[in-house]
Amino acid sequence: DAGVTQSPTHLIKTRGQQVTLRCSPKSGHDTVSWYQQALGQGPQFIFQYYEEEERQRGNFPDRFSGHQFPNYSSELNVNALLLGDSALYLCASSLTGEWSNQPQHFGDGTRLSIL
Amino acid sequence: DAKTTQPPSMDCAEGRAANLPCNHSTISGNEYVYWYRQIHSQGPQYIIHGLKNNETNEMASLIITEDRKSSTLILPHATLRDTAVYYCIPFAGNKLTFGGGTRVLVKP
Repeated sequence: DAGVTQSPTHLIKTRGQQVTLRCSPKSGHDTVSWYQQALGQGPQFIFQYYEEEERQRGNFPDRFSGHQFPNYSSELNVNALLLGDSALYLCASSLTGEWSNQPQHFGDGTRLSIL
Repeated sequence: DAKTTQPPSMDCAEGRAANLPCNHSTISGNEYVYWYRQIHSQGPQYIIHGLKNNETNEMASLIITEDRKSSTLILPHATLRDTAVYYCIPFAGNKLTFGGGTRVLVKP
């Protein structure tokens, strides 16, 4: 049973470029959340996707956008990259359940470096 | 979001129990107490969660006080592989809000 997989594992971009990160959720999960973790900090919530729609968003600018596909996989897009976007980007998947509280399971992230 | 207070760091001897406290006095009635850990260069790993009853699984035990204002994560027999940052997070089902966590160092 594969867990959450993210690609690529590492990426180097320059300021002003655009980047797309990908996430495949754990089997059976239908909800994907994205987090940004700067060096030495805890992860910060970017947004969550369920039924191909953005369900909740954290305090991130519109340069950060996402998409969820019918197979529940997801992409995170960041436009006009800034040096401050250098971070570990984490994807977490979960099962949205009406009657129970389900944990989010994380991948090992994509390390994005902006030069 | 409920705020949490955890000690910034603690050491533990290998083979001994590690007791990690967390204060979450502003937790809402619909928020569960979740514990995650993050080993260096990996994504956070789910450990355990509970609402008001004590819980146990193969990784750890979770003790929640009756007033739900605090909890303790217990690693029964710490190993060197348990060295990580441990996060206590009140969670209602959408976004996880990570605080500073407790950096646990298990020593031989």
